[in-house]
Amino acid sequence: EPEVTQTPSHQVTQMGQEVILRCVPISNHLYFYWYRQILGQKVEFLVSFYNNEISEKSEIFDDQFSVERPDGSNFTLKIRSTKLEDSAMYFCASREGGSYNEQFFGPGTRLTVL
Amino acid sequence: SQQGEEDPQALSIQEGENATMNCSYKTSINNLQWYRQNSGRGLVHLILIRSNEREKHSGRLRVTLDTSKKSSSLLITASRAADTASYFCATDRGDKIIFGKGTRLHILP
Repeated sequence: EPEVTQTPSHQVTQMGQEVILRCVPISNHLYFYWYRQILGQKVEFLVSFYNNEISEKSEIFDDQFSVERPDGSNFTLKIRSTKLEDSAMYFCASREGGSYNEQFFGPGTRLTVL
Repeated sequence: SQQGEEDPQALSIQEGENATMNCSYKTSINNLQWYRQNSGRGLVHLILIRSNEREKHSGRLRVTLDTSKKSSSLLITASRAADTASYFCATDRGDKIIFGKGTRLHILP
Protein backbone atom coordinates (compact mmCIF):
# COMPACT_ATOMS: atom_id res chain seq x y z
CA GLU A 1 0.00 0.00 0.00
CA PRO A 2 1.39 3.42 -0.89
CA GLU A 3 2.54 5.52 2.02
CA VAL A 4 4.10 8.84 2.85
CA THR A 5 7.74 8.57 3.81
CA GLN A 6 9.93 11.01 5.70
CA THR A 7 13.65 11.35 6.24
CA PRO A 8 15.45 11.51 8.51
CA SER A 9 13.54 9.89 11.33
CA HIS A 10 15.54 11.91 13.86
CA GLN A 11 17.54 15.08 13.30
CA VAL A 12 19.70 16.71 15.94
CA THR A 13 21.00 20.19 15.25
CA GLN A 14 22.56 23.15 16.99
CA MET A 15 20.55 26.30 17.56
CA GLY A 16 20.95 28.67 14.65
CA GLN A 17 21.65 25.95 12.10
CA GLU A 18 19.54 25.31 9.04
CA VAL A 19 17.69 22.03 8.69
CA ILE A 20 15.83 20.47 5.81
CA LEU A 21 13.22 17.85 6.49
CA ARG A 22 12.27 15.66 3.58
CA CYS A 23 9.06 13.96 2.62
CA VAL A 24 7.96 11.81 -0.28
CA PRO A 25 4.17 12.05 -0.59
CA ILE A 26 2.02 9.39 -2.17
CA SER A 27 2.65 9.57 -5.88
CA ASN A 28 -0.78 10.55 -7.24
CA HIS A 29 -1.52 13.02 -4.48
CA LEU A 30 -1.84 16.70 -5.26
CA TYR A 31 -2.03 18.42 -1.89
CA PHE A 32 0.79 18.46 0.62
CA TYR A 33 1.06 19.56 4.21
CA TRP A 34 3.40 19.99 7.13
CA TYR A 35 2.29 19.71 10.72
CA ARG A 36 4.26 19.69 13.92
CA GLN A 37 3.74 18.27 17.39
CA ILE A 38 5.69 19.62 20.31
CA LEU A 39 6.20 16.89 22.90
CA GLY A 40 3.04 16.35 24.91
CA GLN A 41 1.02 18.81 22.88
CA LYS A 42 -1.42 18.53 20.05
CA VAL A 43 -0.64 18.32 16.37
CA GLU A 44 -0.57 21.79 14.79
CA PHE A 45 -0.95 22.77 11.17
CA LEU A 46 1.99 24.60 9.62
CA VAL A 47 1.42 24.90 5.89
CA SER A 48 -0.44 23.51 2.91
CA PHE A 49 0.91 23.37 -0.62
CA TYR A 50 -0.81 22.85 -3.93
CA ASN A 51 0.11 23.48 -7.54
CA ASN A 52 3.63 24.51 -6.53
CA GLU A 53 2.62 27.22 -4.16
CA ILE A 54 1.61 27.70 -0.57
CA SER A 55 -2.16 27.71 -0.25
CA GLU A 56 -2.36 28.36 3.46
CA LYS A 57 0.02 28.82 6.37
CA SER A 58 -0.35 29.23 10.09
CA GLU A 59 1.11 31.96 12.27
CA ILE A 60 3.77 29.45 13.32
CA PHE A 61 5.05 29.36 9.73
CA ASP A 62 7.08 32.56 9.84
CA ASP A 63 9.94 33.76 7.65
CA GLN A 64 12.25 31.13 9.10
CA PHE A 65 10.23 28.40 7.41
CA SER A 66 9.96 27.56 3.74
CA VAL A 67 8.66 24.67 1.69
CA GLU A 68 9.59 23.40 -1.69
CA ARG A 69 8.74 20.64 -4.11
CA PRO A 70 12.02 20.58 -5.99
CA ASP A 71 11.62 17.61 -8.28
CA GLY A 72 8.01 16.49 -8.49
CA SER A 73 8.37 13.80 -5.86
CA ASN A 74 10.04 15.28 -2.79
CA PHE A 75 8.42 17.86 -0.56
CA THR A 76 10.75 19.64 1.84
CA LEU A 77 10.45 21.84 4.88
CA LYS A 78 13.38 24.13 5.60
CA ILE A 79 14.00 25.93 8.84
CA ARG A 80 16.66 28.56 8.23
CA SER A 81 17.89 29.29 11.73
CA THR A 82 16.59 26.82 14.24
CA LYS A 83 15.51 27.81 17.73
CA LEU A 84 15.18 25.66 20.80
CA GLU A 85 11.41 25.91 20.54
CA ASP A 86 11.49 24.33 17.07
CA SER A 87 12.17 20.99 18.73
CA ALA A 88 9.17 18.85 17.82
CA MET A 89 7.91 16.01 15.65
CA TYR A 90 7.29 17.22 12.15
CA PHE A 91 4.73 15.36 10.10
CA CYS A 92 4.27 15.53 6.38
CA ALA A 93 0.87 14.66 4.92
CA SER A 94 -0.64 14.39 1.49
CA ARG A 95 -4.04 13.89 -0.02
CA GLU A 96 -5.32 12.97 -3.40
CA GLY A 97 -7.78 15.75 -4.10
CA GLY A 98 -11.49 16.50 -3.90
CA SER A 99 -13.38 17.75 -0.90
CA TYR A 100 -13.45 14.71 1.32
CA ASN A 101 -10.19 12.90 0.83
CA GLU A 102 -8.37 12.02 4.00
CA GLN A 103 -4.87 13.21 4.60
CA PHE A 104 -2.26 10.49 4.91
CA PHE A 105 0.53 11.19 7.31
CA GLY A 106 4.14 10.14 7.26
CA PRO A 107 5.89 8.65 10.29
CA GLY A 108 7.38 12.00 11.26
CA THR A 109 10.83 13.47 11.80
CA ARG A 110 11.83 14.16 15.36
CA LEU A 111 13.81 17.40 15.38
CA THR A 112 15.93 18.15 18.42
CA VAL A 113 17.52 21.58 18.64
CA LEU A 114 20.33 21.87 21.17
CA SER B 1 -13.62 17.26 23.09
CA GLN B 2 -11.41 17.99 20.09
CA GLN B 3 -11.10 21.66 19.23
CA GLY B 4 -11.63 22.06 22.96
CA GLU B 5 -12.08 19.55 25.73
CA GLU B 6 -11.37 15.86 25.55
CA ASP B 7 -13.81 13.32 26.78
CA PRO B 8 -12.15 11.57 28.40
CA GLN B 9 -8.55 12.78 28.35
CA ALA B 10 -7.40 9.36 29.48
CA LEU B 11 -9.12 5.99 29.59
CA SER B 12 -7.97 2.68 31.03
CA ILE B 13 -9.98 -0.47 30.38
CA GLN B 14 -9.51 -4.19 30.59
CA GLU B 15 -8.59 -6.10 27.48
CA GLY B 16 -11.72 -7.34 25.78
CA GLU B 17 -13.88 -4.46 26.92
CA ASN B 18 -15.21 -1.78 24.61
CA ALA B 19 -13.67 1.70 24.59
CA THR B 20 -15.65 4.80 23.75
CA MET B 21 -14.06 8.16 23.09
CA ASN B 22 -15.94 11.37 22.40
CA CYS B 23 -15.15 14.44 20.47
CA SER B 24 -16.97 17.71 19.99
CA TYR B 25 -16.21 20.59 17.71
CA LYS B 26 -17.33 24.14 17.32
CA THR B 27 -17.60 24.99 13.63
CA SER B 28 -19.39 23.35 10.74
CA ILE B 29 -17.42 20.67 8.97
CA ASN B 30 -17.24 18.76 5.70
CA ASN B 31 -15.83 15.68 7.35
CA LEU B 32 -14.35 14.40 10.57
CA GLN B 33 -11.47 12.00 10.85
CA TRP B 34 -10.07 9.82 13.60
CA TYR B 35 -6.36 9.10 13.92
CA ARG B 36 -4.31 6.91 16.21
CA GLN B 37 -0.83 7.67 17.47
CA ASN B 38 1.32 5.20 19.32
CA SER B 39 3.65 6.83 21.79
CA GLY B 40 6.17 9.02 19.99
CA ARG B 41 5.23 7.61 16.61
CA GLY B 42 3.35 8.73 13.51
CA LEU B 43 -0.32 9.34 12.93
CA VAL B 44 -2.34 6.46 11.54
CA HIS B 45 -5.55 7.34 9.76
CA LEU B 46 -8.43 5.24 11.08
CA ILE B 47 -11.61 6.47 9.52
CA LEU B 48 -13.22 9.45 7.81
CA ILE B 49 -16.89 10.24 8.22
CA ARG B 50 -18.58 12.81 6.05
CA SER B 51 -20.93 15.44 7.37
CA ASN B 52 -23.90 13.75 5.68
CA GLU B 53 -23.11 10.40 7.29
CA ARG B 54 -24.27 9.38 10.74
CA GLU B 55 -22.37 6.18 11.36
CA LYS B 56 -19.47 4.32 9.84
CA HIS B 57 -17.80 1.02 10.60
CA SER B 58 -14.32 -0.30 9.95
CA GLY B 59 -13.46 -3.64 11.51
CA ARG B 60 -13.71 -3.20 15.28
CA LEU B 61 -14.18 0.55 14.93
CA ARG B 62 -17.50 2.32 14.91
CA VAL B 63 -17.72 6.06 14.46
CA THR B 64 -20.83 8.16 14.86
CA LEU B 65 -21.37 11.76 13.93
CA ASP B 66 -24.09 14.07 15.18
CA THR B 67 -23.79 17.36 13.34
CA SER B 68 -26.69 18.90 15.27
CA LYS B 69 -24.71 18.42 18.48
CA LYS B 70 -21.36 18.92 16.77
CA SER B 71 -20.07 15.72 18.29
CA SER B 72 -18.59 12.39 17.28
CA SER B 73 -17.71 9.20 19.06
CA LEU B 74 -15.25 6.42 18.36
CA LEU B 75 -16.06 2.98 19.69
CA ILE B 76 -13.42 0.25 19.70
CA THR B 77 -14.98 -3.12 20.41
CA ALA B 78 -13.22 -6.09 22.00
CA SER B 79 -10.14 -4.06 22.83
CA ARG B 80 -6.65 -5.52 22.57
CA ALA B 81 -3.33 -4.58 24.11
CA ALA B 82 -2.24 -3.25 20.71
CA ASP B 83 -5.03 -0.66 20.85
CA THR B 84 -3.08 1.21 23.53
CA ALA B 85 -2.41 4.60 21.94
CA SER B 86 -3.64 8.17 21.75
CA TYR B 87 -6.70 8.77 19.61
CA PHE B 88 -7.44 12.08 17.96
CA CYS B 89 -10.40 13.35 16.12
CA ALA B 90 -9.64 15.98 13.56
CA THR B 91 -11.89 18.31 11.66
CA ASP B 92 -11.34 20.14 8.44
CA ARG B 93 -10.95 23.90 8.54
CA GLY B 94 -10.61 24.91 4.95
CA ASP B 95 -7.83 22.74 3.60
CA LYS B 96 -6.14 22.03 6.90
CA ILE B 97 -6.92 19.61 9.68
CA ILE B 98 -7.46 20.79 13.22
CA PHE B 99 -6.53 18.27 15.88
CA GLY B 100 -7.54 18.18 19.48
CA LYS B 101 -5.37 16.99 22.32
CA GLY B 102 -6.60 13.44 22.04
CA THR B 103 -7.64 10.67 24.37
CA ARG B 104 -4.92 8.43 25.80
CA LEU B 105 -6.27 4.88 25.81
CA HIS B 106 -4.55 2.23 27.90
CA ILE B 107 -5.63 -1.39 27.60
CA LEU B 108 -4.91 -3.39 30.73
CA PRO B 109 -3.99 -7.06 30.39
